[in-house]
Amino acid sequence: GENVEQHPSTLSVQEGDSAVIKCTYSDSASNYFPWYKQELGKGPQLIIDIRSNVGEKKDQRIAVTLNKTAKHFSLHITETQPEDSAVYFCAASTNGGSQGNLIFGKGTKLSVKP
Amino acid sequence: GAGVSQSPSNKVTEKGKDVELRCDPISGHTALYWYRQSLGQGLEFLIYFQGNSAPDKSGLPSDRFSAERTGGSVSTLTIQRTQQEDSAVYLCASSPRYTQYFGPGTRLTVL
Repeated sequence: GENVEQHPSTLSVQEGDSAVIKCTYSDSASNYFPWYKQELGKGPQLIIDIRSNVGEKKDQRIAVTLNKTAKHFSLHITETQPEDSAVYFCAASTNGGSQGNLIFGKGTKLSVKP
Repeated sequence: GAGVSQSPSNKVTEKGKDVELRCDPISGHTALYWYRQSLGQGLEFLIYFQGNSAPDKSGLPSDRFSAERTGGSVSTLTIQRTQQEDSAVYLCASSPRYTQYFGPGTRLTVL
């Protein structure tokens, strides 16, 4: 079955710097890759997703890139702010995410220092 | 609109007791998922309901775990004869098609 690995497990950056979180997946059939942000005591919230027919997607300060050949995808956050501090999870799914469960990475705890 | 809600938010129980966790999905969402999140870990898939189809139970860790979804809406996750290793946050998500929307979770502590 699918296996998703996520690095780093913790990341500390200075406010205004960029943060990059990387994930690799094992199942070449995976075609949907969402990223979730989880704040303390809350459920994960979708922040951006990408499907396998595109290589990059941007939404303001957040971007995701996908390399299908290498089977890895990354989250890029620019101009980080203290409110970006949270745990970020990557995930992968087949069937475009419309059926079946997501396989999650173990998460990255991002700390943005003012 | 209202998001996914879960109850209770916290549950403390004694080893060996049964517990029921409830999930109210977003109205109209056909898919419903249960995940388990242990301390400092990622989300572990438990079970998935899609419409009137038979649920995908492939993630349930043992036969002490079961779930049902009544009328295609509310879902209940039941854990029988709880063990200390069942302590975790249990998250429910619903989906209209692609995106999964998560509830706040139920933190279960088994003493």
